[in-house]
Amino acid sequence: AQKITQTQPGMFVQEKEAVTLDCTYDTSDPSYGLFWYKQPSSGEMIFLIYQGSYDQQNATEGRYSLNFQKARKSANLVISASQLGDSAMYFCAMVDSGGYNKLIFGAGTRLAVHP
Amino acid sequence: DGGITQSPKYLFRKEGQNVTLSCEQNLNHDAMYWYRQDPGQGLRLIYYSQIVNDFQKGDIAEGYSVSREKKESFPLTVTSAQKNPTAFYLCASSILASIHNEQFFGPGTRLTVL
Repeated sequence: AQKITQTQPGMFVQEKEAVTLDCTYDTSDPSYGLFWYKQPSSGEMIFLIYQGSYDQQNATEGRYSLNFQKARKSANLVISASQLGDSAMYFCAMVDSGGYNKLIFGAGTRLAVHP
Repeated sequence: DGGITQSPKYLFRKEGQNVTLSCEQNLNHDAMYWYRQDPGQGLRLIYYSQIVNDFQKGDIAEGYSVSREKKESFPLTVTSAQKNPTAFYLCASSILASIHNEQFFGPGTRLTVL
């Protein structure tokens, strides 16, 4: 069965600094995709970034980048130049290839950005 | 602007009532999903649909029903058979149901049983 593990329940960072949110995954499928979502206090899940298992380069989207280490099965999210609006829950996820096409989420990391 | 809308934002239900949560998307996505989120927990899949007039049960479908008569719309009915419906409900859609396609979410509906 596929599994996502996020070991940091909470993180804090100073405004304008960079922060790394950890994510490890477990799957026996050779082809898979990894996603990061942001959930602010309003509740909406906001898609941030995607990494495919066969992608040769790490994904980047603006201030977000993904440190993908396939051999270690890790897909850490790096947020550069943190802003106060980055304070939220962050979830790492992958689609369950075994059926339903549901997203499997990690437990999430609550990020607090301090001024 | 393209996106997913859910209504209402807040919904209060009395015991024994059925209520319907609306989900509409104008992204021209084929696949749509309903998830439930309880406080401090992750999302659990209720139902999903890959094409019009077809839908499949997810992990926690008991007490819920859906329809997919139009590509843009995927309403969720919470029936009186759902024993503990108080939760946050999120609708999502994707281009196709695939392990590589991101799912985009609506703003959610917070349902409270009085």
